[in-house]
Amino acid sequence: GENVEQHPSTLSVQEGDSAVIKCTYSDSASNYFPWYKQELGKGPQLIIDIRSNVGEKKDQRIAVTLNKTAKHFSLHITETQPEDSAVYFCAASISTGNQFYFGTGTSLTVIP
Amino acid sequence: DTAVSQTPKYLVTQMGNDKSIKCEQNLGHDTMYWYKQDSKKFLKIMFSYNNKELIINETVPNRFSPKSPDKAHLNLHINSLELGDSAVYFCASSQGARDQPQHFGDGTRLSIL
Repeated sequence: GENVEQHPSTLSVQEGDSAVIKCTYSDSASNYFPWYKQELGKGPQLIIDIRSNVGEKKDQRIAVTLNKTAKHFSLHITETQPEDSAVYFCAASISTGNQFYFGTGTSLTVIP
Repeated sequence: DTAVSQTPKYLVTQMGNDKSIKCEQNLGHDTMYWYKQDSKKFLKIMFSYNNKELIINETVPNRFSPKSPDKAHLNLHINSLELGDSAVYFCASSQGARDQPQHFGDGTRLSIL
């Protein structure tokens, strides 16, 4: 099956700086890569996703890049704000499968 | 108008008891899931139902039994609760089981005394 690795496990940045979280996957058949944000006491919420036919996608301060050759994808958050503090999960979905394979999560802290 | 709702939000009970967690989605999705999140925040899929049919059944003790009375509901029943069952359980739904965003509920925190 698919194996998704996520780094770093914890990340602290100053408010206004950028944050980057990286994930690698093992199965070249993976074709859908969502990112989720989980705030304390809440369920994971989809913040952005990308499909394998696209190399980059941007939504205001967040962007995701995908390198299919290297099998890695990254989440970029610019101009970070304290409300960006949360746990972020990447995931990969195989075109022939029925489930997401989640990364192990990154706890992001934005210091005011 | 919560999209995926779970009840109860908190569940505290004794070892050996039987308990149920309910999940309902009003998104019109045809696929629903149960995940377990441990203290290290790892998200592990337990079950998935598509149009009321079981399509994923990961290595989960048979004390856990999902039930899907219709496409909008997927309940989780747990028999003979053990200390290791303490975790947060999330329900999710999606339209189709492949390559589609999953929408999560806010979780049920299960604590076994």
